[in-house]
Amino acid sequence: EAQVTQNPRYLITVTGKKLTVTCSQNMNHEYMSWYRQDPGLGLRQIYYSMNVEVTDKGDVPEGYKVSRKEKRNFPLILESPSPNQTSLYFCASKKIRDRTEAFFGQGTRLTVV
Amino acid sequence: SQKIEQNSEALNIQEGKTATLTCNYTNYSPAYLQWYRQDPGRGPVFLLLIRENEKEKRKERLKVTFDTTLKQSLFHITASQPADSATYLCALDLDSGYALNFGKGTSLLVTP
Repeated sequence: EAQVTQNPRYLITVTGKKLTVTCSQNMNHEYMSWYRQDPGLGLRQIYYSMNVEVTDKGDVPEGYKVSRKEKRNFPLILESPSPNQTSLYFCASKKIRDRTEAFFGQGTRLTVV
Repeated sequence: SQKIEQNSEALNIQEGKTATLTCNYTNYSPAYLQWYRQDPGRGPVFLLLIRENEKEKRKERLKVTFDTTLKQSLFHITASQPADSATYLCALDLDSGYALNFGKGTSLLVTP
């Protein structure tokens, strides 16, 4: 089954404690992206990657890092989380060559206290 | 700056009626436009894609129109059902053609 898998689904952490949210896709998609979703603000792109070792900033990259060492994985790293990073996070992937739809993960609800 | 605008007001309609949702955009020249459905706490799910040279696209009870002159897309759900209640997002490709930019979504509530 074609899917994007994020882990964990829920996470409560404390300010300043480094964390990683994993994202993996099994569709051999070149493009992967992270979004955060907050009430009233919609989906905002954090970082995206067009292929292995190629990453770029989205609209709200501050406080986040990503890496793309393998095509299937695109982890989101919060080196020093702060309460304003409490949000619902989604990973997505899509093909580049054909302009087709994006596939989203189940979401990770992060709370930073 | 590029903007995608969807009705921020929730749309409440009665079961069986047609729901019409609007997506307007500025400072884009999208090659295509997509519509997604999102249920609370879950990831968006793709519904339909329409290309700039297509005026209308249908899939079962769903219909999308795309007017590049008006810079607007309309999304219709005919014979709506309570199970159609969700938030609907429109998305456009960025100028690079690689990424997707999303509107904030319109919440639809279909009551029996």
